[in-house]
Amino acid sequence: GAVVSQHPSRVICKSGTSVKIECRSLDFQATTMFWYRQFPKKSLMLMATSNEGSKATYEQGVEKDKFLINHASLTLSTLTVTSAHPEDSSFYICSAPGTMDEQFFGPGTRLTVL
Amino acid sequence: DAKTTQPPSMDCAEGRAANLPCNHSTISGNEYVYWYRQIHSQGPQYIIHGLKNNETNEMASLIITEDRKSSTLILPHATLRDTAVYYCIVRVSGYSTLTFGKGTMLLVSP
Repeated sequence: GAVVSQHPSRVICKSGTSVKIECRSLDFQATTMFWYRQFPKKSLMLMATSNEGSKATYEQGVEKDKFLINHASLTLSTLTVTSAHPEDSSFYICSAPGTMDEQFFGPGTRLTVL
Repeated sequence: DAKTTQPPSMDCAEGRAANLPCNHSTISGNEYVYWYRQIHSQGPQYIIHGLKNNETNEMASLIITEDRKSSTLILPHATLRDTAVYYCIVRVSGYSTLTFGKGTMLLVSP
């Protein structure tokens, strides 16, 4: 199947700093990508839909000014957590749709904010 | 998207078949049944999906009841690496989003 990568896999930062997470589709193009967040022992929650060439669509309750999404090309979407705080510590996962209506997920990025 | 109900956990012996049930009694005619799994600290992995016919691929089989109100994911010969949370998701085909429930934690033991 298709491969989606994320970088970094793990990041630790100080409170107040910004962190950028990259999501790449390695062998296919994706005009749409999805960003999820998963807290410990919880299920994945959709944060936003990233659209190449246009603004992202955010789910209710997700602050668009705090979680900046840029879909720079057909293979790259980035999520920037601005002014991160400890409550933003979570597992961030991206996905991209395949040609058979499945979703391919990245391996996730573990963010820890001190 | 229609709601799904899954048991919170199941156990299976290595080498035996794992049968994971899912109830989706409010499924609409144009909604598909999708199965994903998530191994600990990894991103979810697509397994299989179907509309009304039974489906089989190299990973699993999907059995959907005739009234489409429930389905079963079958892992024919479970291995230790199949230990994961399995999610049953019902949604309309297309590039719409996935809504994850709590899933079933499958523990495969030696």
